Amino acid sequence: EAQVTQNPRYLITVTGKKLTVTCSQNMNHEYMSWYRQDPGLGLRQIYYSMNVEVTDKGDVPEGYKVSRKEKRNFPLILESPSPNQTSLYFCASSYRGQGDKQPQHFGDGTRLSIL
Amino acid sequence: DQQVKQNSPSLSVQEGRISILNCDYTNSMFDYFLWYKKYPAEGPTFLISISSIKDKNEDGRFTVFLNKSAKHLSLHIVPSQPGDSAVYFCAVYTSGTYKYIFGTGTRLKVLA
Repeated sequence: EAQVTQNPRYLITVTGKKLTVTCSQNMNHEYMSWYRQDPGLGLRQIYYSMNVEVTDKGDVPEGYKVSRKEKRNFPLILESPSPNQTSLYFCASSYRGQGDKQPQHFGDGTRLSIL
Repeated sequence: DQQVKQNSPSLSVQEGRISILNCDYTNSMFDYFLWYKKYPAEGPTFLISISSIKDKNEDGRFTVFLNKSAKHLSLHIVPSQPGDSAVYFCAVYTSGTYKYIFGTGTRLKVLA
């Protein structure tokens, strides 16, 4: 079954304690992306990756890091989490950014609470 | 500075009637326009899209209209069904930047 898998689904942690949210896809997609969803703000793109070792900033990259060492995995790293990063996070993948021809597939989300 | 706006946070429609969801954008350089549907506790799922060279695209009960002069996108659902109750996001994409920009979402409630 084609899917994007995020882990963990829920996490409560404290300010400053480094954390990683993993994302894996089994569709051999080149393009992967991270979003955060906040009330009244919709989905905002954090980082995206066009292929292995190629990453770029989205609209809200501050406080986040990513890496793309393998095609299937695209972890999101919060080196020093702060309360304003409390949010619902989604990972997505598609064939190389083709717009309407290859729409993104999303994971089920990771709810992060930073105390 | 929101480049993609969905001005109606919520919409209620009777079952069997038409649902019209709207989206406005500011940049005429966007190439593709997409609609995603999101149920609680799930990720968004792709619904329908349209490229900037077209003004209409249909897929079953769903039709997307693009008015480039007004920089306006709309999604029509006919007939609406209770299972359509969800949050709908419009999104835009620019080939050159490989970036997606999403709207803030509209919560649709279809009343039985």
